[in-house]
Amino acid sequence: DQQVKQNSPSLSVQEGRISILNCDYTNSMFDYFLWYKKYPAEGPTFLISISSIKDKNEDGRFTVFLNKSAKHLSLHIVPSQPGDSAVYFCAASARGIQGAQKLVFGQGTRLTINP
Amino acid sequence: NAGVMQNPRHLVRRRGQEARLRCSPMKGHSHVYWYRQLPEEGLKFMVYLQKENIIDESGMPKERFSAEFPKEGPSILRIQQVVRGDSAAYFCASSPRRGDGYTFGSGTRLTVV
Repeated sequence: DQQVKQNSPSLSVQEGRISILNCDYTNSMFDYFLWYKKYPAEGPTFLISISSIKDKNEDGRFTVFLNKSAKHLSLHIVPSQPGDSAVYFCAASARGIQGAQKLVFGQGTRLTINP
Repeated sequence: NAGVMQNPRHLVRRRGQEARLRCSPMKGHSHVYWYRQLPEEGLKFMVYLQKENIIDESGMPKERFSAEFPKEGPSILRIQQVVRGDSAAYFCASSPRRGDGYTFGSGTRLTVV
């Protein structure tokens, strides 16, 4: 039962263009969403998050959009840089539920930025 | 201010042996989480601990796996009688308070031969 899905295993984008990574979820109890970036042989690094009371959150080159009715979120990176090449994980949690602390991760999308 | 420290980085065990994975949270962090990443998959929650207490172990396999976070010292994830299917990357994360964002360690890569 995959509650968080990233349907694109890989994405290749030209340097300077926009990268759009997508994520779908099925559990309507999720109220907090995060994106993590992971390099090989390292742990995931937090990038950006969004609460379900918002539909957009922006931090520098990174913007996350949330469409609750479609149970869909996306991460936009613009402009894309070679250092952005990594695996990106979408994660969700149900923070509103007492004691709920665990994150549910998608399978990841490998982003490659071509010079 | 060191980050989350996990050791060893790589661990090789023969089938039937025990594996002990250690995690020292960031200074000031009293909440620890363990996740497992199987090849080509996302991270899966295993267990959430505070000092001396297991808060949520809903992701832990029912047998062979245990975790602790003693009053002094690192958190330990223990896998008894390892099997090939236990081969994975095990990540620890910590946070200062419940509900705060995590900081992940670099992981321990367990290989069972």
